Amino acid sequence: GEDVEQSLFLSVREGDSSVINCTYTDSSSTYLYWYKQEPGAGLQLLTYIFSNMDMKQDQRLTVLLNKKDKHLSLRIADTQTGDSAIYFCAESMEGTYKYIFGTGTRLKVLA
Amino acid sequence: DAGVTQSPTHLIKTRGQQVTLRCSPKSGHDTVSWYQQALGQGPQFIFQYYEEEERQRGNFPDRFSGHQYPNYSSELNVNALLLGDSALYLCASSRTDRAFFGQGTRLTVV
Repeated sequence: GEDVEQSLFLSVREGDSSVINCTYTDSSSTYLYWYKQEPGAGLQLLTYIFSNMDMKQDQRLTVLLNKKDKHLSLRIADTQTGDSAIYFCAESMEGTYKYIFGTGTRLKVLA
Repeated sequence: DAGVTQSPTHLIKTRGQQVTLRCSPKSGHDTVSWYQQALGQGPQFIFQYYEEEERQRGNFPDRFSGHQYPNYSSELNVNALLLGDSALYLCASSRTDRAFFGQGTRLTVV
């Protein structure tokens, strides 16, 4: 079945690293995405990784993919107060055109 | 590039009424998808339009319908509104693998 799970909350201190985790169930996922949503706003695409990759780095963001465990993580280095938001992971599968989203992780950055 | 634009931003409707939400995709994008995001939840896929046809549909009743125009803009229609239809409705446009989302339309059904 289709299911994407995330922990609900994460609190970190400004300047520390944040790690947001996600597990998915469908091994045929083609792409995995991380989106950021600020209060009252839409979804901002942060980064994505193709399923044949293990890691992708983009400035302060590092995505790690463990296909065996169906585990995806997003690491934010030097977390800032502006990073406070809800982070969603999502998967899409080749041949379908829909994204399956997790329930989101609310990141709170303490000054 | 204006990105994905949605209108209106907020809307209040009465139970039983009908509503139309609009979306203009990002320049160069030919595919539009609609999602419903209930409070505290992740977005749920409603359907996707490509070449003016509904290409795939999620688990939503027939009260939810859509349309795509030749210029790729799209509408989402919801008939016989229920209180449970209150949500943020997000439009996403894409051309290949990455979807870009609009700011959403906040629908409140009273």
